[in-house]
Amino acid sequence: GQQVMQIPQYQHVQEGEDFTTYCNSSTTLSNIQWYKQRPGGHPVFLIQLVKSGEVKKQKRLTFQFGEAKKNSSLHITATQTTDVGTYFCAFRTGNQFYFGTGTSLTVIP
Amino acid sequence: NAGVTQTPKFQVLKTGQSMTLQCAQDMNHNSMYWYRQDPGMGLRLIYYSASEGTTDKGEVPNGYNVSRLNKREFSLRLESAAPSQTSVYFCASTEGAGISGANVLTFGAGSRLTVL
Repeated sequence: GQQVMQIPQYQHVQEGEDFTTYCNSSTTLSNIQWYKQRPGGHPVFLIQLVKSGEVKKQKRLTFQFGEAKKNSSLHITATQTTDVGTYFCAFRTGNQFYFGTGTSLTVIP
Repeated sequence: NAGVTQTPKFQVLKTGQSMTLQCAQDMNHNSMYWYRQDPGMGLRLIYYSASEGTTDKGEVPNGYNVSRLNKREFSLRLESAAPSQTSVYFCASTEGAGISGANVLTFGAGSRLTVL
């Protein structure tokens, strides 16, 4: 079935360090979405990328969609304790949405 | 504006018991979804309803049934619960494919189910 692999599964960083999570697909994707889930919470939409090579920024977060549209990354610059949570990539095909396995980020103060 | 509301938030069942998880959205969305979340496995799609009157299987439909009661409500039923169905269940909704806009999912707060 359709799936995306996400790495790493877990990441612990010192506050102020950078963090990156990667999402890889074996097939070309028409779009990629990123969601954040705080501990004990529910996933919340962050951003959607649709163009080859697209880069979008939200404050300290930078999202990229690969040239071949098979991979994507989320980079956080100078992490803060508020960045703690699990980050999921997802893609939509028709009416279905499929999610990666997620990267759990812990930020050590 | 409540968004997506799920009930119950917590439930403990014995093996073989049945129960229904309820979901309602007030955003006039066409499409609704049920996911389960297990450690290390991300969010897996159980069933979805692209529009009122239709339902389709997702990645892991076995052991579940769904009903799209009306445009607002989408319920998930476990007819005979098994320990493997212990999980956190999320309902989500979106405007629907072909509708202008970002077409992103809005999630409910989740229902934590334990089957003993």
